[in-house]
Amino acid sequence: GEDVEQSLFLSVREGDSSVINCTYTDSSSTYLYWYKQEPGAGLQLLTYIFSNMDMKQDQRLTVLLNKKDKHLSLRIADTQTGDSAIYFCAETPSGSGGGADGLTFGKGTHLIIQP
Amino acid sequence: DTEVTQTPKHLVMGMTNKKSLKCEQHMGHRAMYWYKQKAKKPPELMFVYSYEKLSINESVPSRFSPECPNSSLLNLHLHALQPEDSALYLCASSQDVLYNEQFFGPGTRLTVL
Repeated sequence: GEDVEQSLFLSVREGDSSVINCTYTDSSSTYLYWYKQEPGAGLQLLTYIFSNMDMKQDQRLTVLLNKKDKHLSLRIADTQTGDSAIYFCAETPSGSGGGADGLTFGKGTHLIIQP
Repeated sequence: DTEVTQTPKHLVMGMTNKKSLKCEQHMGHRAMYWYKQKAKKPPELMFVYSYEKLSINESVPSRFSPECPNSSLLNLHLHALQPEDSALYLCASSQDVLYNEQFFGPGTRLTVL
């Protein structure tokens, strides 16, 4: 079955880089996603990576994918107080042809910013 | 318009009430989803609609009844809910079920008394 694992908390100082890690078990996942959820709000799609890519960069965000180890990471450069949120890693279950089975989410990592 | 909107933002209901949650998108997406999120937990998939037809029902109790009147709207009808159904209900949409870049609405915070 599918399982997505994340650390529950990450604390960083403002201005430093944050690296949020995720491991997944479904090796046939086509897309892997990072979502951000601020308190009391819905989920905001931050970025995604196709499984045949190793890296994707989008402004302050860098996604690294190690398909062999089934490890995904999200690096946020120059972390700001507005980055404080829960970050969910998500994958598409295998055999679903994409979204037909929805997304499988990790438990989420709470990013805490220290001044 | 790249938004998914949900109404109401908050809902408090008794166990004998009937209410509905609404979701709307105007991105031309043909797949729409309902998720339930309990506090400090990840979202859990409830239903998937593809081209206005229900394609996935993740063993959700019948007191939750989804409806997709057209390609832009998704409803979730609620009846005889239990206090443990209190949660954030999130709607999402994607281009279709082959493309899983899902866009989420802000959610409806439901409290069942």
